[in-house]
Amino acid sequence: AQSVSQHNHHVILSEAASLELGCNYSYGGTVNLFWYVQYPGQHLQLLLKYFSGDPLVKGIKGFEAEFIKSKFSFNLRKPSVQWSDTAEYFCAAAGFSGGYNKLIFGAGTRLAVHP
Amino acid sequence: SQTIHQWPATLVQPVGSPLSLECTVEGTSNPNLYWYRQAAGRGLQLLFYSVGIGQISSEVPQNLSASRPQDRQFILSSKKLLLSDSGFYLCAWSGKNRGRYGYTFGSGTRLTVV
Repeated sequence: AQSVSQHNHHVILSEAASLELGCNYSYGGTVNLFWYVQYPGQHLQLLLKYFSGDPLVKGIKGFEAEFIKSKFSFNLRKPSVQWSDTAEYFCAAAGFSGGYNKLIFGAGTRLAVHP
Repeated sequence: SQTIHQWPATLVQPVGSPLSLECTVEGTSNPNLYWYRQAAGRGLQLLFYSVGIGQISSEVPQNLSASRPQDRQFILSSKKLLLSDSGFYLCAWSGKNRGRYGYTFGSGTRLTVV
């Protein structure tokens, strides 16, 4: 069955600390991978996405993610977090099979950054 | 440009009452449409998706149903709400291109069943 797992449900960091949020997926066939962010009281926003090519993907606000096919992973990273990065982060995978492309989300990781 | 509208933003309904949440997309045709539910501490769960008018696929058995009476209209319904239906409901759309340009989400409806 298709699934996306996020290892950390809650992460607390101090400003300037480095961030890495884990994501693993289980999906047969070709898969597209995404990270979304939801700031408090706001809509889901796309941070970055991977379809093919360079496995290191750069997104908005200094975030990047690395696709490691052998590990079925797509971890999100940021070298130095800011207080404004406090949000909930969702990893998602979309597979195209049977004429459908549906997006499956992980459970999310709540990140709190303290000044 | 494409926009997605979802309403109402907030809804408080008694147990056993019916539900109808509406989602419409503008600026595109023949989109894939999705309903997700975000329950506290449980992330986003795909409830229904639709690749065309009248075509609905359900991901999980539940007390809800979905319909797509028009190309850009997606409705989430229930005949009798349960307490467990409380949550944050999100509508989303994508193109037919394997979501290459991402999925766009509506602003959501927070449903509280009392």
